[in-house]
Parts: sequence; structure tokens; C-alpha cells
Amino acid sequence: GAVVSQHPSRVICKSGTSVKIECRSLDFQATTMFWYRQFPKQSLMLMATSNEGSKATYEQGVEKDKFLINHASLTLSTLTVTSAHPEDSSFYICSARLPPRGGTYNEQFFGPGTRLTVL
Amino acid sequence: GEDVEQSLFLSVREGDSSVINCTYTDSSSTYLYWYKQEPGAGLQLLTYIFSNMDMKQDQRLTVLLNKKDKHLSLRIADTQTGDSAIYFCAEMWDSGGGADGLTFGKGTHLIIQP
Repeated sequence: GAVVSQHPSRVICKSGTSVKIECRSLDFQATTMFWYRQFPKQSLMLMATSNEGSKATYEQGVEKDKFLINHASLTLSTLTVTSAHPEDSSFYICSARLPPRGGTYNEQFFGPGTRLTVL
Repeated sequence: GEDVEQSLFLSVREGDSSVINCTYTDSSSTYLYWYKQEPGAGLQLLTYIFSNMDMKQDQRLTVLLNKKDKHLSLRIADTQTGDSAIYFCAEMWDSGGGADGLTFGKGTHLIIQP
């Protein structure tokens, strides 16, 4: 089956530094990738939709200058948390969607997530 | 590791009830979620249930949890064409050390027949 990987799986950084998280579709091409954030003890929050070759679409309330998304190829999207602060500590999950094949069903596959801790 | 299973497709007639099933493997689950994804959009949280509850009802949605069998279901009463979407089951689990993980199923595509 299709596999989505994220790197790193866990990162600890100092306040004020930037952190890059990679999301890769390992055996398929994904025209669309989604970035989510999970707050402790809460559900997932969609941050942005990333389409290959174009600017990401950010959800309301998500700072695009703070959370930089680059979808440079059909297998890689990156999320960079700039000038990270302790409140950015969270679990970040990406998902990659297969291009439609005939019908309307679009399979989607989730990465294992990246745990970011900002000290 | 943790695993969440769902059927890929479910077809129902408009006006009937839809029941989407999900099974999970991790016994340390804390919350279980149902998300809806409409074409071209991201996930939208529909409802969630604490792992110590058996049932939760919210308007047309009923969630049933059988913790012994690790089985979760979502019932949509009076299914409408607007309910056509992909429904994801997700399990939040306690990995220890204060860290929570989230595992998703592959999603069930709900198809509504007129």
C-alpha cells in the first residue's frame, strides 16, 4: 500500500530557532498534501492545503509567515516553523492524497506525525 | 504498532441510515474520532467519543464504542446527498511520557444512491 513518511519523527529545539518538517509520499505521486496540527488532548486541526507547484492555502487563523509550506515536487512537501516558541509545541501530521483515478474517490494516506517540542 | 481498519466503500439509499464501522488495535486509546472529508477539502471533525463512553449522540450522528471488541461505529440517520464524503476513523493513543499519537484509518467513501 501507499506509504507516507515524515522526518523527523521527534524534534526538540530552542525558542527562536526554525524547524523544518518533511512529508514524503514514498511510492506514489501526490498532487495534494495536507498539514495538520494536533494540540495536546485535542483533535486534529487543518493548517493548510498544499498543491504541487502552487502556493499553499492556509486555514483561517494560521499564520502563513510563521508556518512556511513548500510543495516543490509530487513526492515532497515541507513545513517550516519559523522562530518557534513553546506554544508551537505540538504534534504535526501530514497527509498525501492520490490523484483521482476515474471515479471521485481519492485515497488519502497519513504520515506518522512529528512531535515538536520547543524549549 | 497501532492499526485502524475501515471498509473503503459504503453505498446507501437516500433517506436510509448509514453505518460506518471501524476497528482499532491499541488498548491504550483515549479518544476516538470521526472526521469527514468532502471532495477537494481537508478533514472536518464530526464528533468524538472518550474511550470510557459507550455511546454518544449528536443530532443525526450516533457513535457507538465497544471497547472490549475495539470496535467503533458511526451511524448517520436519514442520509442525505450532502453526506456524500469520505469518513475517517481516528484513534488517539497514549504513547507514554505525556505524548499522544493519532492513527487514522484509510477512510470509508460513503456513496449516496437516489
